[in-house]
Amino acid sequence: GENVEQHPSTLSVQEGDSAVIKCTYSDSASNYFPWYKQELGKRPQLIIDIRSNVGEKKDQRIAVTLNKTAKHFSLHITETQPEDSAVYFCAALLSGGYNKLIFGAGTRLAVHP
Amino acid sequence: EPEVTQTPSHQVTQMGQEVILHCVPISNHLYFYWYRQILGQKVEFLVSFYNNEISEKSEIFDDQFSVERPDGSNFTLKIRSTKLEDSAMYFCASSRAGGSGNEQFFGPGTRLTVL
Repeated sequence: GENVEQHPSTLSVQEGDSAVIKCTYSDSASNYFPWYKQELGKRPQLIIDIRSNVGEKKDQRIAVTLNKTAKHFSLHITETQPEDSAVYFCAALLSGGYNKLIFGAGTRLAVHP
Repeated sequence: EPEVTQTPSHQVTQMGQEVILHCVPISNHLYFYWYRQILGQKVEFLVSFYNNEISEKSEIFDDQFSVERPDGSNFTLKIRSTKLEDSAMYFCASSRAGGSGNEQFFGPGTRLTVL
């Protein structure tokens, strides 16, 4: 069935280091991959997304890469700051006209000063 | 910036009772969704709604669940006979259009506690 695997489940880095979170998806026809950041007790908020016709997208300190052949995509955060600490969810949009986002299990990122 | 709003923020109910969760999507959005998140777990899709009908639902969305757009602004999720395992955070979301590249904006959530 449709599934998104996300690793690692927790990630601890020092301020200024880079953080990388990886996801794989099962539906080869998925065509849209958003990343959401969720702070404790708050709503998920989109931080970056990528469509299947693009291999990489960057927005300041955040970048996402997509490998369609391998069916995986990654989030890269450079120069991490304490306010980057949150849970990050990857997701994949199922194809076929549906608007169903399948989420990964989440990565709890802790950035230590 | 417009946001999706949800009420109440926290709902406590007894097992077997009916609850209705309320959402006001962003005004020019046409697609509406409900997701749930059991504490400490992933966000799970429940249902999507477009043009006054359900367009997709998950296996979680069984006969005890229903959705409605009673007027031009509200979008509700009804759980007919709540079970303990329905305890979760329920997020409403909306998007301007469907398909690839259309961001789904999430509301702040309603925490449902079933006792």
